[in-house]
Amino acid sequence: QSVLTQPPSVSGAPGQRVTISCTGSSSNIGAGYDVHWYQQLPGTAPKLLIYGNTKRPSGVPDRFSGSKSGTSASLAITGLQAEDEADYYCQSYDSSLTGLLFGGGTKLTVL
Amino acid sequence: QVQLVQSGAEVRKPGASVMVSCKASGYTFTDYYIQWVRQAPGQGLEWMGWSHPNSGGTTYAQKFQGRVTMTRDTSVTTAYMELSSLRSDDTAVYYCARADYYGSEIDYWGQGTLVTVSS
Repeated sequence: QSVLTQPPSVSGAPGQRVTISCTGSSSNIGAGYDVHWYQQLPGTAPKLLIYGNTKRPSGVPDRFSGSKSGTSASLAITGLQAEDEADYYCQSYDSSLTGLLFGGGTKLTVL
Repeated sequence: QVQLVQSGAEVRKPGASVMVSCKASGYTFTDYYIQWVRQAPGQGLEWMGWSHPNSGGTTYAQKFQGRVTMTRDTSVTTAYMELSSLRSDDTAVYYCARADYYGSEIDYWGQGTLVTVSS
């Protein structure tokens, strides 16, 4: 089945580091397709946070970083700030679906 | 600057159809894919399909095949998404978004259009 699995929620105190995992399969991440990450603040459209597994668009702080290995990817956020509280989604391409695939989303709570 | 401006909120009865428009500006409309993604209340993002404004070509997610049609009018740099045979579980915010190629990241999103399906 073509799914990208994320933890439903993660939390951390201000200043701490958190990671969000995104686990796929051989038809998406494991096939070599890039992983992208989006941040969605309440009531707003998603915003591109990481593209091409590790790249940051202009304007995204270097506190955000991405990595990919095998059939999984991760988003790391260091120096947590209150404004980081949001939903985070991973996305890749799936060759079985011949289309985009989003993870289920992870809600980040800053304690 | 790149902008994708969508049409306003819609209310439809079950069985009806809805068309959402997406006006693009600030870039060459025919150079980029338009992706359509929806988000039901309190739920995650769901990919619906893409269209390429240059060729008019489309690819739809299997879930929506037969019910969705994506078109464009290059003269007004606008993409359209029509969803038919609406059900209550089609209630969602519908987003248009721009992508460099069909499998790439989405770099710009529209503001979203709320479609409510209710009798």
